[in-house]
Amino acid sequence: GQNIDQPTEMTATEGAIVQINCTYQTSGFNGLFWYQQHAGEAPTFLSYNVLDGLEEKGRFSSFLSRSKGYSYLLLKELQMKDSASYLCAVEGNTGKLIFGQGTTLQVKP
Amino acid sequence: DGGITQSPKYLFRKEGQNVTLSCEQNLNHDAMYWYRQDPGQGLRLIYYSQIVNDFQKGDIAEGYSVSREKKESFPLTVTSAQKNPTAFYLCASSGHSLSYNEQFFGPGTRLTVL
Repeated sequence: GQNIDQPTEMTATEGAIVQINCTYQTSGFNGLFWYQQHAGEAPTFLSYNVLDGLEEKGRFSSFLSRSKGYSYLLLKELQMKDSASYLCAVEGNTGKLIFGQGTTLQVKP
Repeated sequence: DGGITQSPKYLFRKEGQNVTLSCEQNLNHDAMYWYRQDPGQGLRLIYYSQIVNDFQKGDIAEGYSVSREKKESFPLTVTSAQKNPTAFYLCASSGHSLSYNEQFFGPGTRLTVL
């Protein structure tokens, strides 16, 4: 079967660092995506990993270990506007994206 | 401005009625997708189309139908056979101008069946 697991909810403090984990078991692997989704809005692309290692993009970084079926999204210098859901998605052999249930992050002052 | 549009943003229908959700893109993307999102859940694929005049069922296609007569348009019909149609519906498209298959999403349509 195909499965993607993320924590349901996380809470962090403004200015802090938070790490959102994602583990996956899929039929094939063509890359892993992270999307941000504010309530009632469309998901927006944050990052893509296909090779092992860390990809850094401003305050956001994403890490991938293909052998462990594991990724994380790291958010630094948290801001109130970072309160949102973060979706982990894996592209399998068919080219379709398989989404996890999303992690709702609440940033508190 | 290139992008994906979905209309309307909010839609109300009576139980037993079919309803069609529109999705238009001007990104010149070949592939288009329809997802359903329920509270606290991830996106589930309903239908997808990789080229005009062709489409495939996703994971939860029962009670839905689509057409792809034009590259720019991929309307979704929620039929009366769909048992729990109230949800947030997202349309997406992707091309291969990048080295990876990033999907771009429309703003979504929230359907409520009364």
